[in-house]
Amino acid sequence: QVTLRESGPALVKPTQTLTLSCTFSGFSLTTSGMCVSWVRQSPGKALEWLAFIDWGEDKFYNTSLKTRLSISKDPSEDRVVLTMTNMEAVDTATYFCARIWADTRGFTFDYWGQGTLVTVSS
Amino acid sequence: SYVLTQPPSVSVAPGQTARFTCGGNKIGTKSVHWYQHKPGQAPVLVVIDGSGRPSGIPERFSGSNSGNTATLTISGAEAGDEAAYYCQVYDNIHDQVVFGGGTKLTVL
Repeated sequence: QVTLRESGPALVKPTQTLTLSCTFSGFSLTTSGMCVSWVRQSPGKALEWLAFIDWGEDKFYNTSLKTRLSISKDPSEDRVVLTMTNMEAVDTATYFCARIWADTRGFTFDYWGQGTLVTVSS
Repeated sequence: SYVLTQPPSVSVAPGQTARFTCGGNKIGTKSVHWYQHKPGQAPVLVVIDGSGRPSGIPERFSGSNSGNTATLTISGAEAGDEAAYYCQVYDNIHDQVVFGGGTKLTVL
């Protein structure tokens, strides 16, 4: 059974760095085609892709946010970490982690975590 | 960068057919996936690669993809189908995941 669970602070101050963890189970990120991604949804807005890391630990970022994002895999456990620097009020959102299955059918987000709400406020 | 365009809302009566469009340049050449997202819940994959259906998704959900438009169809819409529906592709030229702006379904 594939599961993903997000964890991190519910509140961050402007200019601070956000660090979120995605702990997953039921699959191996070293299996060809497997990726773990972060997606967010600001209140009233659409889903916005942020980043993903693939089975070879290659990393891909949303071009518009690339300078603020970093994604990494914890080598000792099934956990992917996302950091976002210089947080602003507009970054207030629910942050989801999700598994991407990359194959001939494209890049499919087939399993999602429940999301974690992050509010940016002083 | 690649852009996906979705109308903001669709309304249907219970039992009617709801259709969601997703426009993109030559989208028919891409693998398009559709997600259902209800408030406070995780998004759910409902259509894979244009017309495939994941395990557990009712046959009422179907898709097509051709030219510059991909379409998700819900036959016999139910109140429980009320949600936002998003299309998604991978822009392999720029290595970017792209989501459409989402369409909110109201079942009147």
